[in-house]
Amino acid sequence: DIVMTQSPDSLAVSLGERATINCKSSQSVLYSSNNKNYLAWYQQKPGQPPKLLIYWASTRESGVPDRFSGSGSGTDFTLTISSLQAEDVAVYYCQQYYSTPRPITFGQGTRLEIK
Amino acid sequence: QVQLVQSGAEVKKPGASVKVSCKASGYTFTSYDINWVRQATGQGLEWMGWMNPNSGNTGYAQKFQGRVTMTRNTSISTAYMELSSLRSEDTAVYYCARGFSGGINDYWGQGTLVTVSS
Repeated sequence: DIVMTQSPDSLAVSLGERATINCKSSQSVLYSSNNKNYLAWYQQKPGQPPKLLIYWASTRESGVPDRFSGSGSGTDFTLTISSLQAEDVAVYYCQQYYSTPRPITFGQGTRLEIK
Repeated sequence: QVQLVQSGAEVKKPGASVKVSCKASGYTFTSYDINWVRQATGQGLEWMGWMNPNSGNTGYAQKFQGRVTMTRNTSISTAYMELSSLRSEDTAVYYCARGFSGGINDYWGQGTLVTVSS
């Protein structure tokens, strides 16, 4: 299975500052035939299910604020929140969906707090 | 609007089975996969398997092979996940999620807490 490793495990950022979360996969999730990275990011707040933020590594889901952006390719990816808001306090997960026919695997999560 | 509504919390004894339902609305049930993901308290997300509601084809994580069964009833747009031989380590919130393109989960159910305790 593809192992997803996030860093850091937790992060404290001041309101209005940039937050950066990294995700590394144990093998490339870039599919050469379509040049797409099979990587998604989710946000999970306490007591709620995960919410899809980003897919194809950099495509923002409809309704997600543009302060959230995804980048990277191959095995190294980043989720950036350009200007942290109070409502962004959550745990963030990366997930690969490259493996066919499956399995899907998630990173261990990164807890984001306000400094 | 798209909704996935799951069945209520369950308490089971070790060795028993549990069946969680996930009723879809607001979209064509057979046009998207259903993935099942679980989360133990304070822990991360763990993918259990997927089902294609159109064909009924399924795929399970190796960890759950032989213990999990995913089914559906297309007439009522409902997916089911049954987990057998429960043990205390299976205590978790179980989520269903609508999936597309092989694993992008864009809508999630509210979660079902399954507690395994003697």
